This record gives sequence, C-alpha cells and structure tokens, in this order.
Amino acid sequence: DTEVTQTPKHLVMGMTNKKSLKCEQHMGHRAMYWYKQKAKKPPELMFVYSYEKLSINESVPSRFSPECPNSSLLNLHLHALQPEDSALYLCASSQIESLNEKLFFGSGTQLSVL
Amino acid sequence: GENVEQHPSTLSVQEGDSAVIKCTYSDSASNYFPWYKQELGKRPQLIIDIRSNVGEKKDQRIAVTLNKTAKHFSLHITETQPEDSAVYFCAANTGTASKLTFGTGTRLQVTL
Repeated sequence: DTEVTQTPKHLVMGMTNKKSLKCEQHMGHRAMYWYKQKAKKPPELMFVYSYEKLSINESVPSRFSPECPNSSLLNLHLHALQPEDSALYLCASSQIESLNEKLFFGSGTQLSVL
Repeated sequence: GENVEQHPSTLSVQEGDSAVIKCTYSDSASNYFPWYKQELGKRPQLIIDIRSNVGEKKDQRIAVTLNKTAKHFSLHITETQPEDSAVYFCAANTGTASKLTFGTGTRLQVTL
C-alpha cells in the first residue's frame, strides 16, 4: 500500500459546526503533515507530527486542532471556522521527519465554510 | 526563512517541444529540492527530486539541474505530451524537519 487516504473528499460546514478530517497511511511512515492549499496557490504547511508527537505548528489558529492517535492516523479537528478557511486540506507522510525525505500526499479534502 | 521564486507562472508549448521551469531559493542551507506535478483536482505528486550534492538528475523525459552557487534549480521536460499538462511546483527543504517551502507554481499547457 503506497497511498495516503483522506476522508471525506468534500466537506461543507457552517461556521458553528464541529467536524474532523481524517488521514491514514499504511506505509510505516513516522512523520505526518497537514497542508492547506488555496485555489491556484502552493500548499502551505500547517502541522508536522513526528513519531506521533507534534513537532511543528506553523502558527495555525486554534480553531484547527490536530491529533495523531497512532502512527497510521492523523486527524484535523475543525471548530468555529471562517469562510476564508475554505481550501483544499492535504495530508502527507514521509518515512521520518528529516531534511530530505520524500513526501507522499493524499488526495485532499475540499472544505467549504459557509 | 526560506523563499522560493518560480518562473514562468504559465507556459504553453506545442506537443513534442521542450519545457523549462526555473526556481530560485534564498537559504544557502537548503539541500533538498523536489518537484511536484498537480493535475486539476488531484494530489501533488513527486516527479523528481535532487539533493545538494548532485548537479543534475534525469528520469526518462524529465531532468532537474541544480546550481548551488547561484541558488537556482530548473525542471526540464523533453518531448512534451498532452498528459504533461498540469501545475508544477518546485520546493526547497531546510531546517531540522521536513519543512518544504513551495514555489508559486507553473501552469504548463501542452497543445496539439
């Protein structure tokens, strides 16, 4: 299995809703990432987990809450989002967190906040 | 922090021609430079990467060159095909973690 799987593929939520994005990989990778990608823009790093511990938070607002329950799963909990948070949320993984590890991306969750 | 500039933003070539996309980076400590291809509505996919101890790398119709002194690297696609049409992102990786900084992207259109 060489894939990073994300669910759901599409999500529409109101500003008062609470929802979660899920990411799963079975490649034995020990680093997992959340990226945000706005239309026609490059992906922007949000969080990095290394060996199930949060190692990087790129000053992301607290309405985004990541969680890494085990080495295969990564969640992103969403609460009180704003319309400007609408974007494609990409999960990625790599073998370990190091300077030149290849990143494998999931297909993303297209999020719309109304 | 790292800053990666990418040019051109759009590129249109005829099928069979070559395409070249150029990126520059700011942090001389950067040592890993991947290229990603993203088709519309799909995930970014790694197509080739190069490490700072190598000047050039080739994989079939795709090649990447790196000039560390000038802090720039380029993607070369030869014999372009319609399926090469996509957005291409360069990236540079610095620091103690896999923290990629992406370029702004190049939309490549291969016309028949």
